[in-house]
Amino acid sequence: NAGVTQTPKFQVLKTGQSMTLQCAQDMNHEYMSWYRQDPGMGLRLIHYSVGAGITDQGEVPNGYNVSRSTTEDFPLRLLSAAPSQTSVYFCASSRFTGELFFGEGSRLTVL
Amino acid sequence: GENVEQHPSTLSVQEGDSAVIKCTYSDSASNYFPWYKQELGKRPQLIIDIRSNVGEKKDQRIAVTLNKTAKHFSLHITETQPEDSAVYFCAASNKLTGGGNKLTFGTGTQLKVEL
Repeated sequence: NAGVTQTPKFQVLKTGQSMTLQCAQDMNHEYMSWYRQDPGMGLRLIHYSVGAGITDQGEVPNGYNVSRSTTEDFPLRLLSAAPSQTSVYFCASSRFTGELFFGEGSRLTVL
Repeated sequence: GENVEQHPSTLSVQEGDSAVIKCTYSDSASNYFPWYKQELGKRPQLIIDIRSNVGEKKDQRIAVTLNKTAKHFSLHITETQPEDSAVYFCAASNKLTGGGNKLTFGTGTQLKVEL
């Protein structure tokens, strides 16, 4: 199993550009989520999904969209990038009540 | 929503000493408390977790204690080694609300084990 795979690992955007961070898992996990990690602020939940076709907002959802058309994939879309979205993004998945497995992270810089 | 506070933000110990990291949570309905370790440039990985029906759990050199009345839980690492140097995050969630594995994380503790 590859586990949780995120792409790209690094990305530089200009303010106003849009992009999609890809996340895929091959463990047949029901639950998937996106976190952002900023220095001194821990991991903050952006969006999450409890199954295909079901998504909901986390703590910091503004400026981000998600969709869950399949069990395996959970892309995160930045609609109009802002410097405040410079961060490291982690995708994670789990069984409904099990250990949360993280991807390797995607480092995004918005100029 | 849930709020998790974590202290200290940095912790330096001598090799072989013990390290203790403390967290408090605000939502009395939270019932699952995992701890994650994140080495520099790596992803967070689960090291131990505890559920609200248990007061203490041990796994070799690490242990977690939970005080539901006071709403705080702690990570204890004994006989620290250089490879324990990392950032540690506590987290909390309520697994009964239908929100899946929606964890709220603390802000992290940078542990440095000095030789």
